[in-house]
Amino acid sequence: KAGVTQTPRYLIKTRGQQVTLSCSPISGHRSVSWYQQTPGQGLQFLFEYFSETQRNKGNFPGRFSGRQFSNSRSEMNVSTLELGDSALYLCASSSGRLRADTQYFGPGTRLTVL
Amino acid sequence: AQKITQTQPGMFVQEKEAVTLDCTYDTSDQSYGLFWYKQPSSGEMIFLIYQGSYDEQNATEGRYSLNFQKARKSANLVISASQLGDSAMYFCAMREDYRDDKIIFGKGTRLHILP
Repeated sequence: KAGVTQTPRYLIKTRGQQVTLSCSPISGHRSVSWYQQTPGQGLQFLFEYFSETQRNKGNFPGRFSGRQFSNSRSEMNVSTLELGDSALYLCASSSGRLRADTQYFGPGTRLTVL
Repeated sequence: AQKITQTQPGMFVQEKEAVTLDCTYDTSDQSYGLFWYKQPSSGEMIFLIYQGSYDEQNATEGRYSLNFQKARKSANLVISASQLGDSAMYFCAMREDYRDDKIIFGKGTRLHILP
């Protein structure tokens, strides 16, 4: 079974631009979660999508948004990029059942904002 | 208050020795899950082991075992016979089952295996 895939793996953008990251979950998984990882803040939850609906959201500004398609693939968008958005963005997929459910992570997209 | 506490920012261990990575958690829920993930320098988060709050036995997966002490809210990871490839960041994490699917991570422990 193929794992979670994320594209692109690396991105370099400048302040003020916007960026879209993509995540394809493990086949059969309906839940996709996004996390931001920085050296200072560690791993922080961004949001989770289940069956094309945002089920949960972390404490990030509205510049961070996402969506999920009918095939469970998910995209995350960051508008008006700031230097502090430089981070490793990880997505994770799971079956979506709340109990006894493990999230499996993709390799991440490393975003650098100049 | 932090939900997940990992008190060891870094550890150095001789190859083939066993190593214990500490993790304590804080929750008022009765049903929750505890996870350990490994993150090599490549960045990918690799799932290692899971322990449910109602599981009576400690979880084991190959060389990994989870020393679960519910009353102390402790979920330490034990790696037996460490290998050079075990050098990585290790994260303890928790999901409070009936709230949402969000996983809360600790700050991590960087493990260095010495030859």
